[in-house]
Amino acid sequence: QVQVVESGGGVVQSGRSLRLSCSASGFNFRNYGMHWVRQAPGKGLEWVAVIWYDGSNKYYADSVKGRFTVSRDNSKNMLYLQMNSLRAEDTAVYYCPRDTSGRFDYWGQGTLVTVSS
Amino acid sequence: QSALTQPPSVSGSPGQSVTISCTGTSSDVGSYNRVSWYQQSPGTAPKLMIYEVSNRPSGVPDRFSGSKSGNTASLTISGLQAEDEADYYCSLYTTNSLVIFGGGTKLTVL
Repeated sequence: QVQVVESGGGVVQSGRSLRLSCSASGFNFRNYGMHWVRQAPGKGLEWVAVIWYDGSNKYYADSVKGRFTVSRDNSKNMLYLQMNSLRAEDTAVYYCPRDTSGRFDYWGQGTLVTVSS
Repeated sequence: QSALTQPPSVSGSPGQSVTISCTGTSSDVGSYNRVSWYQQSPGTAPKLMIYEVSNRPSGVPDRFSGSKSGNTASLTISGLQAEDEADYYCSLYTTNSLVIFGGGTKLTVL
């Protein structure tokens, strides 16, 4: 069955870096674009970044542009989010949903990132 | 791109119908048809309920329906059930795979 599993979250100090991972299984990963979406505690969903199926294009929300980098390894069915210069406002649960023709049809349970000052 | 506008909360009694709106502009909702709706219960991941304005994934009850008129998309839940109580988010998929979410609507079943 299709699964995406996020990992790598934790508590990190403001200004430091963290790398999130997303492991995909049950589908042909190299055929799908993948996104990162986050949700701050008690808040709504916020789109963070997208990487196309072959890694040829990447786009970011203005709030993370220049600080976050999305990448993927299709040989390992893995998606990554490198987060640098973290701020308190980056505290959130991070999800990596699969993109099927413009809809997010599979989501993992997310991984919590807490940025402390 | 600004977030799409949803009412913070809606409510209804079991068996009734409720509609949640998702308002944008002529540059976003008015220009694209890849509108999706997600349901999120506390402590769980979002679940796709509607895609491409009005299509339901398999397994989603036909009580859930979607539509769009001009710059506003809508999610209607008919025959409201207690299990429908959750947060609902609209999203719009735009050029270059950029995505805009609505602010979310809390549905309370009275």
